[in-house]
Amino acid sequence: DVKVTQSSRYLVKRTGEKVFLECVQDMDHENMFWYRQDPGLGLRLIYFSYDVKMKEKGDIPEGYSVSREKKERFSLILESASTNQTSMYLCASRTWGVAGGNEQFFGPGTRLTVL
Amino acid sequence: GQQLNQSPQSMFIQEGEDVSMNCTSSSIFNTWLWYKQDPGEGPVLLIALYKAGELTSNGRLTAQFGITRKDSFLNISASIPSDVGIYFCAGPILGTQGGSEKLVFGKGTKLTVNP
Repeated sequence: DVKVTQSSRYLVKRTGEKVFLECVQDMDHENMFWYRQDPGLGLRLIYFSYDVKMKEKGDIPEGYSVSREKKERFSLILESASTNQTSMYLCASRTWGVAGGNEQFFGPGTRLTVL
Repeated sequence: GQQLNQSPQSMFIQEGEDVSMNCTSSSIFNTWLWYKQDPGEGPVLLIALYKAGELTSNGRLTAQFGITRKDSFLNISASIPSDVGIYFCAGPILGTQGGSEKLVFGKGTKLTVNP
């Protein structure tokens, strides 16, 4: 079974803090993704990485950065957290090049509250 | 960007009823995915569809890939309380960098089942 783990299920931070959300997958997947989920807005893509050290902006990258130094780990960084970044953050991974293998596998999510 | 229009936004049904939801797009997709998200968890893949006209079942769930490749349907028969959650449709689109691919998601259908 594919396993995607996220470092925290719940996190509370203060405005202006630097926040790191970590994601690890154990299936040697090339692609990894960070989403945020807000009520009524569905899943919105923040950033994704299609290989080590490679990244691409998603639909809402402002206020975020990412790091992918190793294949299994993809970090989302909030340089200076703000209250409007309070949300559920979901990490996902998928393999590449497998016929019909578009499926993304999700972690359990990190619910971040910025006070 | 490309969008998936998912309806209905929410459904309140009695246990034992059948459920139907759909997803439409103005663009053609080569793959349709249906995910379910339990409260407080990450989305889990239910069904993947790869061919226009394909009808695929997973237990009480049945999904169809529309013949125009611009829509997909998910049906749940004889609903039970554990069907509660948010159902998302998704389809892959190319990123801007060569070799990258990402998913676009519908906004979800929130299902409530009354015992």
